[in-house]
Amino acid sequence: AQSVSQHNHHVILSEAASLELGCNYSYGGTVNLFWYVQYPGQHLQLLLKYFSGDPLVKGIKGFEAEFIKSKFSFNLRKPSVQWSDTAEYFCAASRNQGGKLIFGQGTELSVKP
Amino acid sequence: DAGVIQSPRHEVTEMGQEVTLRCKPISGHNSLFWYRQTMMRGLELLIYFNNNVPIDDSGMPEDRFSAKMPNASFSTLKIQPSEPRDSAVYFCASSTDLLAGVNNEQFFGPGTRLTVL
Repeated sequence: AQSVSQHNHHVILSEAASLELGCNYSYGGTVNLFWYVQYPGQHLQLLLKYFSGDPLVKGIKGFEAEFIKSKFSFNLRKPSVQWSDTAEYFCAASRNQGGKLIFGQGTELSVKP
Repeated sequence: DAGVIQSPRHEVTEMGQEVTLRCKPISGHNSLFWYRQTMMRGLELLIYFNNNVPIDDSGMPEDRFSAKMPNASFSTLKIQPSEPRDSAVYFCASSTDLLAGVNNEQFFGPGTRLTVL
């Protein structure tokens, strides 16, 4: 069955620390991968996406993610987090050319000022 | 573009009452999705439509839940009768025609926070 797994339920960091959130997917065939962010009290917003091409994807606000096909992974990274990055982060996947979006369980990130 | 519009933003009702949530997708988007978000279960896809036709409703929890999309610019999610365990945030999202194989990034609405007492 198709699934997306996020390893970390809650991550706590100090400002300026580096961030890496894990995401693994279980999909057959070509897959589209996404990271969404949900700031407190707000709706989900797209952070970045991978459809094809360069496996290193750069998104908004200094975030990036690397698609490693051999590891079925799409980890999210940021070299230096800010307090304003406090939010919940969702990894998601869908089949190429259609199909529903499957979300991971989400990772809550708390950044201490 | 105003984005995906949902109403109401907040709904408080009593157990047994009928609840109707509304969604207006982004103009030109042919796919519409209803999600439910709870602390216990995270973000769950309930149902999605393509060109107003329900494609997959396997996520609808039970017969008390129903969804319609009478035209390309409007969809409803109805719960009848409502129960306290239905309390959650319900999100609507839309995307371009997913069956055509184009970019199927989803754009989310602000959500409806439902509380059933």
